[in-house]
Amino acid sequence: AQSVTQLDSQVPVFEEAPVELRCNYSSSVSVYLFWYVQYPNQGLQLLLKYLSGSTLVKGINGFEAEFNKSQTSFHLRKPSVHISDTAEYFCAVTPVDSSYKLIFGSGTRLLVRP
Amino acid sequence: DGGITQSPKYLFRKEGQNVTLSCEQNLNHDAMYWYRQDPGQGLRLIYYSQIVNDFQKGDIAEGYSVSREKKESFPLTVTSAQKNPTAFYLCASSMIQGYYNEQFFGPGTRLTVL
Repeated sequence: AQSVTQLDSQVPVFEEAPVELRCNYSSSVSVYLFWYVQYPNQGLQLLLKYLSGSTLVKGINGFEAEFNKSQTSFHLRKPSVHISDTAEYFCAVTPVDSSYKLIFGSGTRLLVRP
Repeated sequence: DGGITQSPKYLFRKEGQNVTLSCEQNLNHDAMYWYRQDPGQGLRLIYYSQIVNDFQKGDIAEGYSVSREKKESFPLTVTSAQKNPTAFYLCASSMIQGYYNEQFFGPGTRLTVL
């Protein structure tokens, strides 16, 4: 079985400051990893994904994440946030042998203040 | 434009009533999914379908039912047996080919039990 832990339920940050949203996972099999963003009362949009290859992946809106297999982590980072980045961010994993099943973390609300 | 539509956006239900949430996609995707989102709990899989006239239970199927009579449609019925149906419901779809299939999400339906 797989599980995803997002320890920070809310992360407040000032505009133009850097931010890191943490994600750790547990799995007995290899997984693919994802970050999704959700704006209020909307669906989820894929920010970035790690399938294989380089452990540093770049996504949309200036976000990037680094896969660390030894620490089973996939933290999301942005060097300078904007007010428009205020949203809920979800980390998710799927086993490589059954990619229909997305397992989500509980989400981290990023609150960007002026 | 291709995408996923969910209707209605907001739905109110009296206790003891069944309600049906609509999900339609014009992406020609084979697979469709229903998730439930509660505050602080991320998304949980209710049902999924990989082919017409076939579907499987997810992690929290009790109190819900689905049908897949057409490739583009996957309605979800929340029955009176669902003890706590107030939540945000998200529909998703994906292709089934290769080793990874990205799930695309609809805008969601917010269900409130009065």
